[in-house]
Amino acid sequence: AQSVSQHNHHVILSEAASLELGCNYSYGGTVNLFWYVQYPGQHLQLLLKYFSGDPLVKGIKGFEAEFIKSKFSFNLRKPSVQWSDTAEYFCAVSQGGADGLTFGKGTHLIIQP
Amino acid sequence: KAGVTQTPRYLIKTRGQQVTLSCSPISGHRSVSWYQQTPGQGLQFLFEYFSETQRNKGNFPGRFSGRQFSNSRSEMNVSTLELGDSALYLCASSLGTSWDNNEQFFGPGTRLTVL
Repeated sequence: AQSVSQHNHHVILSEAASLELGCNYSYGGTVNLFWYVQYPGQHLQLLLKYFSGDPLVKGIKGFEAEFIKSKFSFNLRKPSVQWSDTAEYFCAVSQGGADGLTFGKGTHLIIQP
Repeated sequence: KAGVTQTPRYLIKTRGQQVTLSCSPISGHRSVSWYQQTPGQGLQFLFEYFSETQRNKGNFPGRFSGRQFSNSRSEMNVSTLELGDSALYLCASSLGTSWDNNEQFFGPGTRLTVL
């Protein structure tokens, strides 16, 4: 079965710091990749997605992610974080239908003013 | 366009009871997926429905079931509740099935507490 690993469960950064959250998946075939964010008291929202094409994808709020097939990775990046980026971030993978979305355990990001 | 709505938002039940949760997808969306979110296991896929047919099922016991109606609204049912069923149940809708590279939009969830 597919599995998704997010390396950092808790990350604390200061405003304006750069961010990189790691995500690795186990399936070797064709995958669709997603990053979702859950702000405090809100529901899951899609940050960005990769289906095919350019492996560097840009999402909302200045986030981007790079798909590296050889490393089975889809890391999330932001050059300068803001206090409002405090949230839970989830990486998710789809194998094109089977078993729905497989989520990582999430990374709780806290941005200190 | 209204988002995914789930009712009720909060529910308290006792062990052995059964519960039915409801999800209304975004207008025009024909696929509904259900997920269970717990602190220990994270987000886990329950099942996916498209055009009233179950397309995929996750690794959950038969006590968890669902259905989809002709208007794409979906319900999930959990029978013989156990303490471990306490969780946030999330519904997600998409235009087509997850086979077709469709983005899923999530609802706010139903918080189920089993006492």
